Amino acid sequence: QKEVEQNSGPLSVPEGAIASLNCTYSDRVSQSFFWYRQYSGKSPELIMSIYSNGDKEDGRFTAQLNKASQYVSLLIRDSQPSDSATYLCAVIAGGTSYGKLTFGQGTILTVHP
Amino acid sequence: DAGITQSPRHKVTETGTPVTLRCHQTENHRYMYWYRQDPGHGLRLIHYSYGVKDTDKGEVSDGYSVSRSKTEDFLLTLESATSSQTSVYFCAISDPGLAGESTDTQYFGPGTRLTVL
Repeated sequence: QKEVEQNSGPLSVPEGAIASLNCTYSDRVSQSFFWYRQYSGKSPELIMSIYSNGDKEDGRFTAQLNKASQYVSLLIRDSQPSDSATYLCAVIAGGTSYGKLTFGQGTILTVHP
Repeated sequence: DAGITQSPRHKVTETGTPVTLRCHQTENHRYMYWYRQDPGHGLRLIHYSYGVKDTDKGEVSDGYSVSRSKTEDFLLTLESATSSQTSVYFCAISDPGLAGESTDTQYFGPGTRLTVL
């Protein structure tokens, strides 16, 4: 079982819709969770971090964390064509050395006009 | 962009040759990381540094070495490049001192595309 799993997609949504991206992780004591966006040929760009159960909102983005079920999700409201990218989920497991991120393989999102 | 640059941005080399990639940062960040990104594997940690001359191995460290003789530079060396090391290499930083961020939030450099023939 991979430590961090994402549906590779591609996920296609129409412009203006809500895009829902999901991520599950295997280490029950994981503490820190991140969502990155990566455009083709570019480096990962941090969108959100979340550490506590529940929702965290930042503009059109909402991260949701459920530690009991070991999943973290990212909702993108009012999706725009410019949101088309690969979205990477990353986790720092509990008990690991400082800052050692484990990434999922990423979900490709396409927002069509 | 957290003041991170990587050089070279693109490199083509031959099997068996040594290669050094450089990550340079201008903002005195304490922690630096090297990742590689490959289709089907995602981003994987190669080595990281938690201070000058303090480094440790990541998930895929075989065939790679690193050095950090000063805060601003973190070098990744492939002693004898192999075709399996063809990849995109990203440097990242994190810093307890970054205002408003957790101590473990990482920011990435622009990447180096390495091709080993």
